Order: sequence, then structure tokens, then C-alpha cells
Amino acid sequence: DAGVIQSPRHEVTEMGQEVTLRCKPISGHDYLFWYRQTMMRGLELLIYFNNNVPIDDSGMPEDRFSAKMPNASFSTLKIQPSEPRDSAVYFCASSRTGVGKNIQYFGAGTRLSVL
Amino acid sequence: GQQVMQIPQYQHVQEGEDFTTYCNSSTTLSNIQWYKQRPGGHPVFLIQLVKSGEVKKQKRLTFQFGEAKKNSSLHITATQTTDVGTYFCAGRQTGANNLFFGTGTRLTVIP
Repeated sequence: DAGVIQSPRHEVTEMGQEVTLRCKPISGHDYLFWYRQTMMRGLELLIYFNNNVPIDDSGMPEDRFSAKMPNASFSTLKIQPSEPRDSAVYFCASSRTGVGKNIQYFGAGTRLSVL
Repeated sequence: GQQVMQIPQYQHVQEGEDFTTYCNSSTTLSNIQWYKQRPGGHPVFLIQLVKSGEVKKQKRLTFQFGEAKKNSSLHITATQTTDVGTYFCAGRQTGANNLFFGTGTRLTVIP
């Protein structure tokens, strides 16, 4: 299994530009999570999906952030317009339901720098 | 709301010394997981504890879940340079499918 795949690995953009981060979860996993990690705030849950449906988006910072999961094998996190304070590492993780199976598998992350 | 705190935030040890990180939740948890993140890497699952008072070992690592299921600890015996990284606990409330990650403890091992 290839694991959770995120792209791009690094993104450098200018303030005001739209940024789209992509994630392919592990096949067969029905939960997908988006996290943001910074030194100041640690690992924050932004939003998570179950069977492609958003369940909890209370961690999404503001309206500039949006996430979609059009099918079981693909999700996007979009920031429009981007701001310097959005600079962080964004992780996608997936998991499978069931007793003893709620382990989250993380992708390698996307390091976003907004100049 | 749910909060999971870890102490210490940072720990520097000499290689061969022991290391312990503590995790405390503001609410009772159904289970707790531990993850390790190497510098520049991503969190990787280590273990899950479910039962009150549970203790599990992985080689030099010992994990405990408190009797009240509100706290947990990770103890590393005789640290090695390969233990370097940030250790996170992550708690799950009953009926929830998301995890509340702790603030993490960054371990540095001095050779």
C-alpha cells in the first residue's frame, strides 16, 4: 500500500493567491482528516470527512479555507486568498472504522509558505 | 472544550538516560493513542491504549493509561539517538471518530 499521498510536498506562493492542497487516502479508509501544524499552535484538526461527507469543520480557521472530498480517493483543501499567517505544514490523514482500527495514517505533508 | 496537554514541552537528555512524557485530558477518554514525529517527518502511530490502568510495552518504550482514563504516560528507558522526535498523545472521546492531539513533547538526545 502506498500510504496517504499528498501533493505538492512544498508550495511557495504570494499573498492573495489561491492555494490547493491535494490528498489521496489509503484505499478502503472511510475517514479523512486535514490538519495544520505550526510551532505556535501545534497540530490542529481543521476538518474531517466520513464516507466523503464533511462531519466536523469547526477547526477551519475562516471562510478563506474550504475542503472537498468528491470521491473516496481524493480530497482537496483550498485557501483563497492566502495570507502569510497560513504558512504551515498541512497534513492529511486517513483511518478505517472498527474496533481497534481507528489508527490515523498521515501523509508526508505539504509545507506551505505564503510570502 | 476538549483539551489534551502534555508536559514537558521540551526535553533534552544524554544518550542512555530515561525519558518520560505525560499527557492529561480535561475529559474522560475512551482510548488514547501515541504518535511519534521525527524531525521533518509526519506523525506515525505507535500504540493505542483502551483499558483503565492499561500498561503496554514496546521494547524500551512503556505506555500507561491512567485509572480514570484521563491521563497517560510514555516512558523510554535508556534513550538512543534514534528516539529523537516529538511524541504526541491523542485522545478519543466515547462515540467520537476524531482525535484530540496533545501539545507534544520534543525529545532531543545528546550523544
